[in-house]
Amino acid sequence: QVQLQQWGAGLLKPSETLSLTCAVYGRSSSGYYWSWIRQPPGKGLEWIGEISQSGSTNYSPSLRSRVSMSVDTSKNQFSLKLVSVTPADTAMYFCARYSGYELFLDSWGRGALVTVSS
Amino acid sequence: QSVLTQPPSASGTPGQRVTISCSGVYSNIGDNAVSWYQQLPGTAPKLLMYNTDRRPSGVPDRFSGSKSGTSASLAISGLQSEDEADYYCATWDDRLNGFVFGTGTEVTV
Repeated sequence: QVQLQQWGAGLLKPSETLSLTCAVYGRSSSGYYWSWIRQPPGKGLEWIGEISQSGSTNYSPSLRSRVSMSVDTSKNQFSLKLVSVTPADTAMYFCARYSGYELFLDSWGRGALVTVSS
Repeated sequence: QSVLTQPPSASGTPGQRVTISCSGVYSNIGDNAVSWYQQLPGTAPKLLMYNTDRRPSGVPDRFSGSKSGTSASLAISGLQSEDEADYYCATWDDRLNGFVFGTGTEVTV
């Protein structure tokens, strides 16, 4: 397994851009994707999207118009950007490793709380 | 927004067996492997089961998974106080072309 450490701005105003980065520690073989998942306070998990090690992306239909992901293989990092945030985007954001072959998320970051408030 | 339906809560006394259901449709559970996640309060989710019925290293064999048609289940036998957590099922949805989670079940011991 790998360890994931994430960071980013925790307090945003409406209309600003959410930006989070996740660093990967340890070796990860091919066939894995890097994912972002969020969890509003007191609610369930929502998949935001995924990016492959080569940079191919797949986003949730509900967020596709506002989200982008990138990967920096030289730094073993991947990032999430979500534009035009609203209070509804307030959530704990998790990065995770996803097995595209076997369809599971096996390593998770600790999470980063992002609050959107004016 | 979740496309997989779970009961909101389940409970049992220590030693009992608890089963959590996860209901979907053919494009998700019916056609793909299911994974389960345990989320203890204030922590990140942890992979509990994958490929429907396989346990990652370190997960006690008190946890078991199954699937039939468009529904999946997670069973916890010999319930312990440390099993108090939220549990989520998940799988890929071919129609949405995305990963989907269940609504989550809070287990109380």
